[in-house]
Amino acid sequence: TQLLEQSPQFLSIQEGENLTVYCNSSSVFSSLQWYRQEPGEGPVLLVTVVTGGEVKKLKRLTFQFGDARKDSSLHITAAQPGDTGLYLCAGADNNDMRFGAGTRLTVKP
Amino acid sequence: NAGVTQTPKFQVLKTGQSMTLQCAQDMNHEYMSWYRQDPGMGLRLIHYSVGAGITDQGEVPNGYNVSRSTTEDFPLRLLSAAPSQTSVYFCASSYGEGTEAFFGQGTRLTVV
Repeated sequence: TQLLEQSPQFLSIQEGENLTVYCNSSSVFSSLQWYRQEPGEGPVLLVTVVTGGEVKKLKRLTFQFGDARKDSSLHITAAQPGDTGLYLCAGADNNDMRFGAGTRLTVKP
Repeated sequence: NAGVTQTPKFQVLKTGQSMTLQCAQDMNHEYMSWYRQDPGMGLRLIHYSVGAGITDQGEVPNGYNVSRSTTEDFPLRLLSAAPSQTSVYFCASSYGEGTEAFFGQGTRLTVV
């Protein structure tokens, strides 16, 4: 079983729609990160959240860390085809980083 | 800026063969890790290191060995390749726990 559960596993939407993807765990993390991965490449960091209840915005992307630091969400406003990719959440756990299985997002023009 | 460099990018092995995947970083990061990525499984941690001379096991260490003789290099050794080790392997480095992880471009390994 994954330490971090991400949902949905797949998401296909039209350009201009809004979406939210989730990252949930039964464990508490000191910090949680979101990465985006494109085909043939390694993941690239989008954001790190550290404080329970924290909200961070990165242009059209809004990240939220749950109050108990066990879960997080990523909301994308007015999705664009360039947002297509695999979105991974990762939690720091005793000197190593554990990843969820990811949400594969496809934004159709 | 080279960042994290992995070699080779592609490799085909026969069952039972051994090989070493190379990983080097030029950012003076203490933390380095190896992950494998399989469809629907995300990234699973194989081994990691918090500094030269220190290594530890992750979620799926069986069949793999690592060493960390220098800060820069963290090779991953497959002792006797099995078809179940067919995967894409990523090396990552970071400054410390919970900090941004920088990934290499991956090694696509096929074991036949």
